[in-house]
Amino acid sequence: DAKTTQPNSMESNEEEPVHLPCNHSTISGTDYIHWYRQLPSQGPEYVIHGLTSNVNNRMASLAIAEDRKSSTLILHRATLRDAAVYYCILPSGTYKYIFGTGTRLKVLA
Amino acid sequence: EAGVAQSPRYKIIEKRQSVAFWCNPISGHATLYWYQQILGQGPKLLIQFQNNGVVDDSQLPKDRFSAERLKGVDSTLKIQPAKLEDSAVYLCASGIQGYTEAFFGQGTRLTVV
Repeated sequence: DAKTTQPNSMESNEEEPVHLPCNHSTISGTDYIHWYRQLPSQGPEYVIHGLTSNVNNRMASLAIAEDRKSSTLILHRATLRDAAVYYCILPSGTYKYIFGTGTRLKVLA
Repeated sequence: EAGVAQSPRYKIIEKRQSVAFWCNPISGHATLYWYQQILGQGPKLLIQFQNNGVVDDSQLPKDRFSAERLKGVDSTLKIQPAKLEDSAVYLCASGIQGYTEAFFGQGTRLTVV
């Protein structure tokens, strides 16, 4: 399974954009890039996923590098409710989601 | 749409006792996952089902953990006997086959004393 590397923690001010990076240098051509987040005392929830092109949804944007060896999750205006652990995952061919330690995002009021 | 249901939400048992967790996935979801999440760590995949067949159980400690998914719907995860290090949140998730999102339940918090 392809591995991902994320910073342990990041901080952001409320209502400012946040860029959460993920390195996945061993990604294969067919690996999708998924992002999940886990709010305190909750199960993880899906945020966004993509293959090659940048993706947008109501929660976030996903920017994928041209060589696909890194990606960035973008929260356009962070709120206090976005404080969570964010996981970058490359599911295997059997749709197996392996979580690392993720990035703990702290949002400052 | 109803989400993934898990019960109980909390459980406290003594070491060497047995315990079972139940999961009802979202209707129509063929894939079901059980994860163990120890405090401060990311979720660890224990077992993955596709319908009622096991896809991956390589991280399931089979000497004490067992899981089944009867009729490809509900699933139970059992620990027998429990150890102190089994204290964790046990998460169930389900998904439709393919590269789409997995939906997680709120989990069962197990404390072994």
